[in-house]
Amino acid sequence: GQQVMQIPQYQHVQEGEDFTTYCNSSTTLSNIQWYKQRPGGHPVFLIQLVKSGEVKKQKRLTFQFGEAKKNSSLHITATQTTDVGTYFCAGPVGGSSYKLIFGSGTRLLVRP
Amino acid sequence: SQTIHQWPATLVQPVGSPLSLECTVEGTSNPNLYWYRQAAGRGLQLLFYSVGIGQISSEVPQNLSASRPQDRQFILSSKKLLLSDSGFYLCAWSVRQFSYEQYFGPGTRLTVT
Repeated sequence: GQQVMQIPQYQHVQEGEDFTTYCNSSTTLSNIQWYKQRPGGHPVFLIQLVKSGEVKKQKRLTFQFGEAKKNSSLHITATQTTDVGTYFCAGPVGGSSYKLIFGSGTRLLVRP
Repeated sequence: SQTIHQWPATLVQPVGSPLSLECTVEGTSNPNLYWYRQAAGRGLQLLFYSVGIGQISSEVPQNLSASRPQDRQFILSSKKLLLSDSGFYLCAWSVRQFSYEQYFGPGTRLTVT
């Protein structure tokens, strides 16, 4: 069946270091979404990418959608303690527009 | 603006007891509604989704059921809880006008003892 994998599973960085998480789908995606879940909280929508090769930025966060629309990445420049949490990517299931399959998530810890 | 409510926030139930978790959405019409379960430190498992009143799709055969009695109300139930039902239950909504981005409620932490 369709799978969405994320690596790494876990990363511990020093505050100020950069961080990247990678998302890989077994199938071509019409779009990719990213969510952040703070410890003890619920997932919060961050962004959606639709176009092949698309790059979007939100302050220190840079999101990229691969040319083949099967992979994506989230890069955080100069991490801060407020970046702590688990980052999930998600893509539509099959031909559905509204049903998502979530990646396994990358948990980010930041040492102050 | 849209808001989503879930209750209760935490719940401790004995094995074999029934369960009812409720989710309501405000500020939008005809949303798609979802129930997810998240085990500790794990990813999101889609349990049920609904595209309209009375329309429920089950993703994983298990000890749970869902109902949508009203447009913006989604209920997760069980007749007899199992230990394996413990987890963090999240309700979410999406609509076409927001490109089916999903917006999650605060969740219910269920511990079955």
